[in-house]
Amino acid sequence: KAGVTQTPRYLIKTRGQQVTLSCSPISGHRSVSWYQQTPGQGLQFLFEYFSETQRNKGNFPGRFSGRQFSNSRSEMNVSTLELGDSALYLCASSPTHSTDTQYFGPGTRLTVL
Amino acid sequence: KQEVTQIPAALSVPEGENLVLNCSFTDSAIYNLQWFRQDPGKGLTSLLLIQSSQREQTSGRLNASLDKSSGRSTLYIAASQPGDSATYLCAVRAEETSGSRLTFGEGTQLTVNP
Repeated sequence: KAGVTQTPRYLIKTRGQQVTLSCSPISGHRSVSWYQQTPGQGLQFLFEYFSETQRNKGNFPGRFSGRQFSNSRSEMNVSTLELGDSALYLCASSPTHSTDTQYFGPGTRLTVL
Repeated sequence: KQEVTQIPAALSVPEGENLVLNCSFTDSAIYNLQWFRQDPGKGLTSLLLIQSSQREQTSGRLNASLDKSSGRSTLYIAASQPGDSATYLCAVRAEETSGSRLTFGEGTQLTVNP
């Protein structure tokens, strides 16, 4: 099976712009989670989608949003970018149950200038 | 609120040594604990998943143990190799949250010297 894929791999934006990141989970996986990784804060949970519904949300401002499509692919959007949004954004997928292993994609490196 | 701590933050060892990485968590009400490896600038690779009812899991040279009641897990790496150099992260899935949300530690940066 193909692994979790994320596009694009690298992005450079300027403050105030918005950005959309995409994640394709492993075939058959219905849960997609997003994480932000920065040197200062480590890995922080953004949100999780399951069957097109947001199941869980982390402590991030409303500028961060996401959605999931019927084929389980997910997108996250960040509006009004700030310098502090520069990070590695990771997507993870898992089949269904809470006891499942989570598999991560390679990430999207976002740089905000 | 669940908090995860990893000790040490960094570790440098000569090739061939056996080593132990530590992970502790504050709330023992967890579904499972997962160990990951991350190479610089890359995503996370799952190494081992331990369910809350299990005591340990093994994969090749890796062995992870879980003591849920004391809030501790260890990752044992036998006969370390330079290719093991990476950051190792542990993450727990707490019972208090629905879904697949993981809480991560800060990681242990491992360097294995030839």
